[in-house]
Amino acid sequence: NAGVMQNPRHLVRRRGQEARLRCSPMKGHSHVYWYRQLPEEGLKFMVYLQKENIIDESGMPKERFSAEFPKEGPSILRIQQVVRGDSAAYFCASSPRPFMGARNEKLFFGSGTQLSVL
Amino acid sequence: EDQVTQSPEALRLQEGESSSLNCSYTVSGLRGLFWYRQDPGKGPEFLFTLYSAGEEKEKERLKATLTKKESFLHITAPKPEDSATYLCAVQAENNDMRFGAGTRLTVKP
Repeated sequence: NAGVMQNPRHLVRRRGQEARLRCSPMKGHSHVYWYRQLPEEGLKFMVYLQKENIIDESGMPKERFSAEFPKEGPSILRIQQVVRGDSAAYFCASSPRPFMGARNEKLFFGSGTQLSVL
Repeated sequence: EDQVTQSPEALRLQEGESSSLNCSYTVSGLRGLFWYRQDPGKGPEFLFTLYSAGEEKEKERLKATLTKKESFLHITAPKPEDSATYLCAVQAENNDMRFGAGTRLTVKP
């Protein structure tokens, strides 16, 4: 059973370009969460999606960032017109049910995409 | 505002030298406190969930404990392969999850 798959592992973009990060959840998982990690900082929640629905995007910047999780295919985190401050590691996590702190629920994380903006 | 503070930021131990990592938190209604291990270039790997004060969980050389204000991750007789960054996270009653910045543990042989 493959884990959460993220690609690319490393992505280099110049300022003003678009970055597209992909996340395939674990088999049977229909809930996806995106986090951003800056050096020496904790993971920061960005957005929570179910298939075809954005459930919570309270952590995502209002401009330039968008996310989707289509019926078929991976979840995509899209950053338009990237700036140097977008450089970070972006992690995706998945769960089979809503992660509501129910006992024995946990998030499974991918290995992340390291975005570097030149 | 919910907060999670981990200390120390970095910890260097000799193999076999037991120690503890601290996670202090303030949260409105704790649903759960989570410990993760993160290796360089990898995503966080789940270790434990604690739900109420007084609860303890163990796995190999690791033991996690929880009070109303903090959690400890005790490492007994660590080995070099225990070197990693250990992350603490709390989930509030509104389901928001907040991570600490982590403790970077290095165990020297």
